[in-house]
Amino acid sequence: EAQVTQNPRYLITVTGKKLTVTCSQNMNHEYMSWYRQDPGLGLRQIYYSMNVEVTDKGDVPEGYKVSRKEKRNFPLILESPSPNQTSLYFCASRPRLAGGRGNEQFFGPGTRLTVL
Amino acid sequence: GDSVTQMEGPVTLSEEAFLTINCTYTATGYPSLFWYVQYPGEGLQLLLKATKADDKGSNKGFEATYRKETTSFHLEKGSVQVSDSAVYFCALSNSNYQLIWGAGTKLIIKP
Repeated sequence: EAQVTQNPRYLITVTGKKLTVTCSQNMNHEYMSWYRQDPGLGLRQIYYSMNVEVTDKGDVPEGYKVSRKEKRNFPLILESPSPNQTSLYFCASRPRLAGGRGNEQFFGPGTRLTVL
Repeated sequence: GDSVTQMEGPVTLSEEAFLTINCTYTATGYPSLFWYVQYPGEGLQLLLKATKADDKGSNKGFEATYRKETTSFHLEKGSVQVSDSAVYFCALSNSNYQLIWGAGTKLIIKP
C-alpha cells in the first residue's frame, strides 16, 4: 500500500531533550516536506526536500533540522525542544516532476508532540 | 506573496443542508488549486483539485470550480452528512511548486 508513515504518533518530552520524528514514504517520491499544524494558523511548512541531499527552509524552520540521506526517509530533528514547538506535525511527499503543479501531496498520519 | 484565504469556522449545519465554504487566493501566474480534508485524528487527504481556469473538481459529492476572474475556488456540496464533519483546507500550488495553505475551516454536521 502506498503510504507515508511517521513515528512516533504521540510524544511527550521535556525542554531541551533532543528528539527525532521519522518519516518514510514508499512511493519513490522526490519531494518531501514537514509541516506543523496549530489552531487558527493552518499548515505551516518547516522544511522541504526536492531530492536526496537537497533540503530547503520553509516558513518556520527555526529550532528544527532535517536530513535527506535516502530518497524514502526525511527525519525531523529537534535538537533542543521548547514548549512553543508543541504542535501537530505532518510529513508529506509527492513526485517532483511528472504533472508539475497539479500533483497531489500525500500526508502521513501526524505526530502530536508536547514539550513540557 | 501568494496566499489563500478561506472562511473562518466552525461552520455548523444540519444534515442534508447545502454547504459552501469560501476560498479566495492571490497568486501570480496560473496556480493549481486544491481542497484537502482532515477527518478527526487523521492526516490530510486530497478531496479534489483543479489545474486550470474553469476546471471543476469533484469527489464524494463535493464540487469546486476554478474561477480566475474572481480568484476563487469555493467548495460546495448539495446535501451534507454527519460523516462530512471534518476540517477542510484550501490550498494552491504556485509557480515554485510550493503548496500555500489556507487556515482551515472546521465543519460540524448535526444529525
